[in-house]
Order: sequence, then C-alpha cells, then structure tokens
Amino acid sequence: QVQLQESGPGLVKPSETLSLTCTVSGYSISSGYYWGWIRQPPGKGLEWIGSIYNSGSPYYNPSLKSRVTISVDTSKNEFSVRLSSVTATDTAMYYCVRVAHGYQLCPFDIWGQGTMVTVSS
Amino acid sequence: DIVMTQSPDSLAVSLGERATINCKSSQSVFSTSRNKNFLAWYQHKPGQPPKLLISWASTRESGVPDRFSGSGSGTDFTLSISSLQAEDVAVYYCQQYYSSPQTFGQGTKLEIK
Repeated sequence: QVQLQESGPGLVKPSETLSLTCTVSGYSISSGYYWGWIRQPPGKGLEWIGSIYNSGSPYYNPSLKSRVTISVDTSKNEFSVRLSSVTATDTAMYYCVRVAHGYQLCPFDIWGQGTMVTVSS
Repeated sequence: DIVMTQSPDSLAVSLGERATINCKSSQSVFSTSRNKNFLAWYQHKPGQPPKLLISWASTRESGVPDRFSGSGSGTDFTLSISSLQAEDVAVYYCQQYYSSPQTFGQGTKLEIK
C-alpha cells in the first residue's frame, strides 16, 4: 500500500523559503509515476503547485514558477518542494500527491494527510 | 488556464435522495486522440485529504460505492449521488487534467437537509 507523508516547518517567516518533504512508503519513486504538490489556503480551493517524474524535469504552475522548486531524492525515496519569498498568501494546507497512471496529465490518486504551513512573523 | 466552475456552491439533500453537482470547463477537456474526457471528481471530508472518486469523467475508482456516478463530455459534467448517505457529507471538487496547469473547481459543499 502506497503512503505519502509530508514533513516540514509549520511556521515560516515572510520573505523566507518554505521547504517541505514528502516521504513515500510502499513504492519506490525510481520505479515510475509523477509525484507532486497541491495546496489549499484556508477556506479556499485546491491549487496544483507542480509535479516531477523520477529525476526528470519538473512541471510547475506558471502562477508560482518563479518561486517554486520541486526535486526528488531517490536514495531517500522522497520528494520535496521549496517556495521562496513567501507571503501570507502562501499560508495553506500543503499536500503531496501521486499522479495516477504514470503520465503527467492524469488525476491525483494518492494523497498525503497534508501539513499546514502558516506564514507569519 | 482552463477555468472550472461548479454549481451550486452548496447543496442540501435529504438522506436517501439524489444529489447532483455540476461542473463546467471554460474549454473542452475531451481528447479526440484518446477519446476520453480528462475530468476527475474528488471528495474532501474535514480533517482528511481529498479522495479521488471518478476519473475520465465517468470511471469510478476501486472501492467507490456505485451510488456515485459521473457523466458528461466536452465542457459540461455532472457528479451524481443516487441515494445520499450521511457519510457523503463533504466538499466535492471537479478537476481537469487536459492541460497544464491542472485546475480545480471552487468546490460544492454537500450537506444533509
């Protein structure tokens, strides 16, 4: 059974960099699938941040592209997101996800429990 | 970006009755080469991550009760719950994965009347 678990600071100061890691269990990232990040600000909808395949080139939401980096560490079977120059509008629940079927444009079939990140001084 | 618009924003239905949620995309999400609609539905309960219910507009995921069904094509889609159960109270989202960035509807909150 594939499981995803997010980890990282729950509080980040404005202008600093948000960094989260997703640890995958029950499946080897290097075996395939795209892996990604989605966020949900309080009381708002879901926003796709980006996805990456194994150690290939990531895909990013253009709205965040200038500030976001997604990477994979196959040796640790985890992937990460970094979002720079954060502001209060980056406060959100952050979910790591698996993209189904091994293609970048597919639904998100497995989700982590999510981790709440608050941007505040 | 493809804009996904759901209606209604909230819905109250009696137990055992039918619930219908609509989703409209700003452009077609039907792929003629794949002969598929790139449209998914998710169920989001408080304190839990969203759960994929339906992909390709009408294909139920494994383990999803058959009271959930998806229909539609092109730009207009519907999620139906044939006989509402108490455990179906949630926010439901549609999502297009036809083109990047993948985008979600604003969500429909389903409650018991």
